[in-house]
Amino acid sequence: GENVEQHPSTLSVQEGDSAVIKCTYSDSASNYFPWYKQELGKGPQLIIDIRSNVGEKKDQRIAVTLNKTAKHFSLHITETQPEDSAVYFCAASRGRASYDKVIFGPGTSLSVIP
Amino acid sequence: KAGVTQTPRYLIKTRGQQVTLSCSPISGHRSVSWYQQTPGQGLQFLFEYFSETQRNKGNFPGRFSGRQFSNSRSEMNVSTLELGDSALYLCASSLLLGADTEAFFGQGTRLTVV
Repeated sequence: GENVEQHPSTLSVQEGDSAVIKCTYSDSASNYFPWYKQELGKGPQLIIDIRSNVGEKKDQRIAVTLNKTAKHFSLHITETQPEDSAVYFCAASRGRASYDKVIFGPGTSLSVIP
Repeated sequence: KAGVTQTPRYLIKTRGQQVTLSCSPISGHRSVSWYQQTPGQGLQFLFEYFSETQRNKGNFPGRFSGRQFSNSRSEMNVSTLELGDSALYLCASSLLLGADTEAFFGQGTRLTVV
């Protein structure tokens, strides 16, 4: 079946450094790629998303890049802060498809060390 | 604007019992999706409701069921609980049907089956 791989599974960075999380998807028809942040005791929260007609999207310290040819997309967090510590999930879907077609990655636990 | 509310936050049940979880979506949102989150399997889609109709169902046994009311509130039920049903159950609401519509997650219900 379709799947989304996510690396690394855990990531520790010093405060102020950058963090990069990479995902690979298998369904070539995927065209919508959201990223979620899940803090301890909370549900996932959408932090940024990208569609297949765009190669890069940025929102303040967060950016996402997409390489449709290689079926890779990545989350970049610059100038990390302790409040960035959380589990991050990538996902891939066919856009207008229903939520059963959303495939989530296994998650990356990010720790930002003050 | 109130977020997605899930009740209860925590539940402890015995094997063989049944349980009902509740989700109140953001006001005006008509789509509600349910997910099971476990350390081993990650986020797995359970079902999606829109306008009181189940639109999609994930690959879970018939012990898992749900419904949506006319006010968009949704409930999910798990009968004949098994130890493996222990998980965080997340509900997400969105304004429209479709995976590329931003989904807002609740904090989840942590179910422990003993």
